[in-house]
Amino acid sequence: KQEVTQIPAALSVPEGENLVLNCSFTDSAIYNLQWFRQDPGKGLTSLLLIQSSQREQTSGRLNASLDKSSGRSTLYIAASQPGDSATYLCAVRNDYKLSFGAGTTVTVRA
Amino acid sequence: EAGVAQSPRYKIIEKRQSVAFWCNPISGHATLYWYQQILGQGPKLLIQFQNNGVVDDSQLPKDRFSAERLKGVDSTLKIQPAKLEDSAVYLCASSPNHALPGSYTFGSGTRLTVV
Repeated sequence: KQEVTQIPAALSVPEGENLVLNCSFTDSAIYNLQWFRQDPGKGLTSLLLIQSSQREQTSGRLNASLDKSSGRSTLYIAASQPGDSATYLCAVRNDYKLSFGAGTTVTVRA
Repeated sequence: EAGVAQSPRYKIIEKRQSVAFWCNPISGHATLYWYQQILGQGPKLLIQFQNNGVVDDSQLPKDRFSAERLKGVDSTLKIQPAKLEDSAVYLCASSPNHALPGSYTFGSGTRLTVV
């Protein structure tokens, strides 16, 4: 059974600082890994998708890396803004099933 | 395109009562998912439909939860009778096909409180 862990559970940084969010998973036989953002009272918004054959994906200020052999992914958010405050969830896909971590709640202080 | 629609947004019920949630996926999406997200945890898959057939319901507590997707379009998730531990956000998601990666679109969810 796939177990996904996200550390830390919460993070508070001043505006402008770079964010580093970690995700680890136990079963490395994954199809892909996806990072989502969840705002309070809202659904999940997909941020980045990394296929199992890829090492990283970038979109604007966001960069996600994947080390499948060690079961780890990292999401980097450059030059954080108050609008980046949200919960970030990591999800890995095995056999058409998506397994989520518990998320990291980020607060960016103005 | 319109997103995944869910209703109601919030529901408060007493334990042992019944409740139903509704989801309308993105038009043309063959696959529909129901997830349960307990506070402080990641979403957990309850059931997955491909058109109107069930692909995976291994984590659905079938003694109290039921779901249907008639005509392969919208879906209803029911809990009867509800327990305190059912308090959670119920998220619906859809994708064009369960074999396509990264194609999940989530609704805003229904927040259920059982008192």
